[in-house]
Amino acid sequence: EAGVAQSPRYKIIEKRQSVAFWCNPISGHATLYWYQQILGQGPKLLIQFQNNGVVDDSQLPKDRFSAERLKGVDSTLKIQPAKLEDSAVYLCASSLRPGGYNEQFFGPGTRLTVL
Amino acid sequence: AQRVTQPEKLLSVFKGAPVELKCNYSYSGSPELFWYVQYSRQRLQLLLRHISRESIKGFTADLNKGETSFHLKKPFAQEEDSAMYYCALQNQGGKLIFGQGTELSVKP
Repeated sequence: EAGVAQSPRYKIIEKRQSVAFWCNPISGHATLYWYQQILGQGPKLLIQFQNNGVVDDSQLPKDRFSAERLKGVDSTLKIQPAKLEDSAVYLCASSLRPGGYNEQFFGPGTRLTVL
Repeated sequence: AQRVTQPEKLLSVFKGAPVELKCNYSYSGSPELFWYVQYSRQRLQLLLRHISRESIKGFTADLNKGETSFHLKKPFAQEEDSAMYYCALQNQGGKLIFGQGTELSVKP
C-alpha cells in the first residue's frame, strides 16, 4: 500500500512570497490532517478535513494560511504572504476515519525555509 | 487545557541499559495516548497506543491516570532505538496533541 505522498520535499522562499504544498493521502482515507512542526517542537495541527469538509482549523492562521481538499482526496496548503516564523516542516497525515483508534499515517513532510 | 509535556529534550544511555522516556498530560476526560517515533531520515510513525497494552520492539507504556503520565519504557536499550520519540494525546475529534519530543541516543 502506498503511503502518504507530499511535494515538494524542500522549498526555500523569501519573506512575503507565496508557497503551496501538495498532499496525496492513502487511498480510501477520509480524514486528512496538516501539521506544522517548528524545529525543536512537536507537530501542531493546523487543519483537519473529513472528506472535503473542514473539521478543525482553530490553529490555522487564516490571515495568511489557506487549505483546500476539493474532491475529498488530494489537498493543498498555501501560505501567502510568508513570514520568517513560517519556517518549519509541514506534515500531511491521513486516517480512515477521525478519532477513536484510527491510526494516522504521516507523509515525509515539506521543509520550508523562509529567508 | 489539553497539553502533553515531555520534560527531557535529550536522553543518552548505553546499550543494554534501561530506558524511560517521560510523558505527562493534561486532559479533561478519558485520554487516548500514543507514542510516535521518528528514526533518522524516516517518517513519523506510530510506535504504540495505550489501549492496545502491547509491547512493540520491547517498548511498553502504562497509563497512570492518578499521575497523568504515560511513560515509555524498555528494559534493555539497543543502538537501533536511537530516534526522536513523541508522546501524543488524541481528543475525541481525532486531533493529535504532541509533546515537544525526546531524542533518545543509545551509545555502544
